[in-house]
Amino acid sequence: GAVVSQHPSWVICKSGTSVKIECRSLDFQATTMFWYRQFPKQSLMLMATSNEGSKATYEQGVEKDKFLINHASLTLSTLTVTSAHPEDSSFYICSADPTSAGSYEQYFGPGTRLTVT
Amino acid sequence: AQKITQTQPGMFVQEKEAVTLDCTYDTSDPSYGLFWYKQPSSGEMIFLIYQGSYDQQNATEGRYSLNFQKARKSANLVISASQLGDSAMYFCAMSTTGFQKLVFGTGTRLLVSP
Repeated sequence: GAVVSQHPSWVICKSGTSVKIECRSLDFQATTMFWYRQFPKQSLMLMATSNEGSKATYEQGVEKDKFLINHASLTLSTLTVTSAHPEDSSFYICSADPTSAGSYEQYFGPGTRLTVT
Repeated sequence: AQKITQTQPGMFVQEKEAVTLDCTYDTSDPSYGLFWYKQPSSGEMIFLIYQGSYDQQNATEGRYSLNFQKARKSANLVISASQLGDSAMYFCAMSTTGFQKLVFGTGTRLLVSP
């Protein structure tokens, strides 16, 4: 089955530092990957759509200079939270959309829990 | 704009009984997909079932079935023979515009009791 990994699974960082989260599709290629954020006891909110070889598309209200997304290959997208602050503490989940035609399902990574102190 | 509404913040069911989790949606796009995901306390999103807007029959996957009422714009999830391991958050979601990005509802927390 299709597997998406995220690294790290959890991270604690100090306020003002930057954190990079990796999302990898392990056994399939993904032209498009998505980054979601989930605050405690809330739903998933789409932050941005990451397309291989092009700039990410950010949802309204998401700061593109704060949440840098790079989709360098068909199996890897990274999210960098720059100058993190405590309000950025959240659960970040990526999903990957298989390149193969006819596939409707997105495959989710296990998530990364970020705590900014 | 697309919107998913889940009006049940929490549901309780006894083991071995069936339970229905409600989901209504709103979209002007004639082509869309409806999904249900399970999120246990570990946080991972587990895909349960999918229904396409043009599918004539209700989707079924094992103990999960989707009651698709297109005219009412509802896509309720039915879990038959509940198990203790079904206790989790359940999210309804919709995709449009080429079946890409997902819009999620607020979720329903299901608690299965012995």
